[in-house]
Amino acid sequence: KQEVTQIPAALSVPEGENLVLNCSFTDSAIYNLQWFRQDPGKGLTSLLLIQSSQREQTSGRLNASLDKSSGRSTLYIAASQPGDSATYLCAAPANAGGTSYGKLTFGQGTILTVHP
Amino acid sequence: KAGVTQTPRYLIKTRGQQVTLSCSPISGHRSVSWYQQTPGQGLQFLFEYFSETQRNKGNFPGRFSGRQFSNSRSEMNVSTLELGDSALYLCASRGSGANVLTFGAGSRLTVL
Repeated sequence: KQEVTQIPAALSVPEGENLVLNCSFTDSAIYNLQWFRQDPGKGLTSLLLIQSSQREQTSGRLNASLDKSSGRSTLYIAASQPGDSATYLCAAPANAGGTSYGKLTFGQGTILTVHP
Repeated sequence: KAGVTQTPRYLIKTRGQQVTLSCSPISGHRSVSWYQQTPGQGLQFLFEYFSETQRNKGNFPGRFSGRQFSNSRSEMNVSTLELGDSALYLCASRGSGANVLTFGAGSRLTVL
């Protein structure tokens, strides 16, 4: 059974700082990992999806890495802004054998606050 | 291109009642997944439908059920509501050959 853990649970940083959010998963035979953002009371917005064949994926100021052998993924946010304040969630396929399709296991999330 | 649409956005029910939530996926997407989000348990998978067939199911009691129509729209139903069913219910759709899940804004259910 896949388990996903995110550290830290909460993070507060001043504007402009670079930061790293961590995600670990127990079943390393995953075929992808997805990072999401959730604003209070809203749905999830997909940020990045990393295929198992990739080691990194970048979108603007966001960079996600995947190390299957260690069961870890990181989300790097460069030059943070107050608008980045949200909960960040990582999710891995629940059944690493490839039959998960839309069934993901989510971490509990990291609540990020970027203050001016 | 319209996103995933969930209705209603907010609803209040009392214990013992039943509720039906609706999800319209992105046009062309045939896979629809449902998740429950609560402060204590986080995001938990309910079920997934593909071409009107349930493909995956989470660990929820039989009071939680769903279905998918031929136009890929999906509904989920919760019968005999309990206080613990209060949650944000999220629906996501996925295209063929794609791995990215696109989520709707959710339906917030409050059970009194």
